[in-house]
Amino acid sequence: AAGVIQSPRHLIKEKRETATLKCYPIPRHDTVYWYQQGPGQDPQFLISFYEKMQSDKGSIPDRFSAQQFSDYHSELNMSSLELGDSALYFCASSLAQGDEQFFGPGTRLTVL
Amino acid sequence: KNEVEQSPQNLTAQEGEFITINCSYSVGISALHWLQQHPGGGIVSLFMLSSGKKKHGRLIATINIQEKHSSLHITASHPRDSAVYICAVLSGGSNYKLTFGKGTLLTVNP
Repeated sequence: AAGVIQSPRHLIKEKRETATLKCYPIPRHDTVYWYQQGPGQDPQFLISFYEKMQSDKGSIPDRFSAQQFSDYHSELNMSSLELGDSALYFCASSLAQGDEQFFGPGTRLTVL
Repeated sequence: KNEVEQSPQNLTAQEGEFITINCSYSVGISALHWLQQHPGGGIVSLFMLSSGKKKHGRLIATINIQEKHSSLHITASHPRDSAVYICAVLSGGSNYKLTFGKGTLLTVNP
């Protein structure tokens, strides 16, 4: 069965650079969630989209933005990267809001 | 105090033992997830439940909404069950984000 796809799987950036993370949800899933997991930390919710509209916002820095496109894939754009942005970024999708969330493999971002 | 508390934080067992991981939460929820995370990071959804009990293979999850408590049981544990098990709750209403517990690191020795 198709799963959530994230790209890239690993990303190394310098401070103050920008990064774009991509998430392709399971087919027919219209809801996408982004989570950030710092080293040794539990995942923290960043932002979610339903039917291409932002549906909820968590502890996402102003330097980050995200959107969901017409094909339901989502991109998380991160600018002016800081060392503290180094983390595992998960995307999850669900068939509808409130349904079971299925997670992608994550993108490991390292900021040097 | 965290909204989602898990116990124990760390658990070491011998192969074949029965495992129980507990999760308590302090907020009203619409559903609770049990997730598994292996070293290297990937998260797998094991269960989502809002009442009663679910079983999948050697895994059993139960939830008591009145007591705000859920348990994950693993029968006949195996070294490949070694992972971090995370309880996460969906608060409900118009809020569909997950709030995660700190996880339980399970190590099953052969």
